[in-house]
Amino acid sequence: SQKIEQNSEALNIQEGKTATLTCNYTNYSPAYLQWYRQDPGRGPVFLLLIRENEKEKRKERLKVTFDTTLKQSLFHITASQPADSATYLCALAPSGTYKYIFGTGTRLKVLA
Amino acid sequence: DGGITQSPKYLFRKEGQNVTLSCEQNLNHDAMYWYRQDPGQGLRLIYYSQIVNDFQKGDIAEGYSVSREKKESFPLTVTSAQKNPTAFYLCASSMGGTSGNNEQFFGPGTRLTVL
Repeated sequence: SQKIEQNSEALNIQEGKTATLTCNYTNYSPAYLQWYRQDPGRGPVFLLLIRENEKEKRKERLKVTFDTTLKQSLFHITASQPADSATYLCALAPSGTYKYIFGTGTRLKVLA
Repeated sequence: DGGITQSPKYLFRKEGQNVTLSCEQNLNHDAMYWYRQDPGQGLRLIYYSQIVNDFQKGDIAEGYSVSREKKESFPLTVTSAQKNPTAFYLCASSMGGTSGNNEQFFGPGTRLTVL
């Protein structure tokens, strides 16, 4: 069956450290993978998109990798800050469809 | 300001009632989506529309209905047939296409509670 999985356990890290979140998928072959941030009671906000032929994408303190062999994307926040505390969702669109499939999200808490 | 709006922010429904959630966008996006989010769960797709006067069922369409009479509007009706409608509802829009390379813009959400 097709699945997109993120670690459902919350991730607590100390301020200044690098946070790494994982997104694994099975039985999909997406050309793109996206990451979103969601704060409590609000809609998700788009952060980054990575293409299948890109190994890595960076935006300020954010870095995303995409390994189509492992069927995995890693999302890194360097020099993390308490303001980075939120739930982070990964999403993909199966080839040839208009639908987006979202993971369940991982809640990140950065401790001051 | 360009964006996507949802109303109301909070909605209370009695059992057996139909309610309609509003979603409007002024981003000139072709595609619009409705998702449902339950505590500790990801977003589940209810309906989506790629073009005016056309829409498709998502993974959990039972008990819901939509219309797309205008490009900027995609209202969702939660009918009495939806047995467990209490949830957070999110509307989104994107430029459309099948390749998945278009970011989705989300509204602020509507929290529906059945009394």
